[in-house]
Amino acid sequence: DGGITQSPKYLFRKEGQNVTLSCEQNLNHDAMYWYRQDPGQGLRLIYYSQIVNDFQKGDIAEGYSVSREKKESFPLTVTSAQKNPTAFYLCASSIRQVNQPQHFGDGTRLSIL
Amino acid sequence: GDSVTQMEGPVTLSEEAFLTINCTYTATGYPSLFWYVQYPGEGLQLLLKATKADDKGSNKGFEATYRKETTSFHLEKGSVQVSDSAVYFCALSGGYNQGGKLIFGQGTELSVKP
Repeated sequence: DGGITQSPKYLFRKEGQNVTLSCEQNLNHDAMYWYRQDPGQGLRLIYYSQIVNDFQKGDIAEGYSVSREKKESFPLTVTSAQKNPTAFYLCASSIRQVNQPQHFGDGTRLSIL
Repeated sequence: GDSVTQMEGPVTLSEEAFLTINCTYTATGYPSLFWYVQYPGEGLQLLLKATKADDKGSNKGFEATYRKETTSFHLEKGSVQVSDSAVYFCALSGGYNQGGKLIFGQGTELSVKP
């Protein structure tokens, strides 16, 4: 079955530490996205990529970084510059056309120790 | 800019009650509209979609009609079940110049009691 795999499901970060969240898809989608979800709130876009080796900042990119070296993979690094990283992080992918739905992974919950 | 506004939750209903979750939007151009559902601790699942005015999306007993004249895409279900308890998100497509990203409402939590 095709889908999006996010790992790990739970992640803990110490103060001053960078952590990387994994996102892999086998849907052959060109576009991939990272969202942050805080309790009781909607989704906010962190970064997105429409093609390999290219990505754009979303609405809340500060303190985050991404890479897109392979079509299947879009890892997100939460850096120590992100002062409030505790949240639920969702990765999504879609066909690279307008008006297409996005397909989501099951998320990674990041907490600060 | 484009935006989506949903009715605030939580919405609490008894089993077999009628459900309406309101969603209105502001957008330029002709976006597609989506409803997603999120069960506790999981990602979002596409529930239904509509791509143009007067289209009706439907799935699993849920329906929503793309109303351009009222800029609305309200979600309805005739008889809810306990298993429908989840958070529901309305979203619109941001257009090609926005990288195909989706713009989400803040979500509406639904709780269905037996």
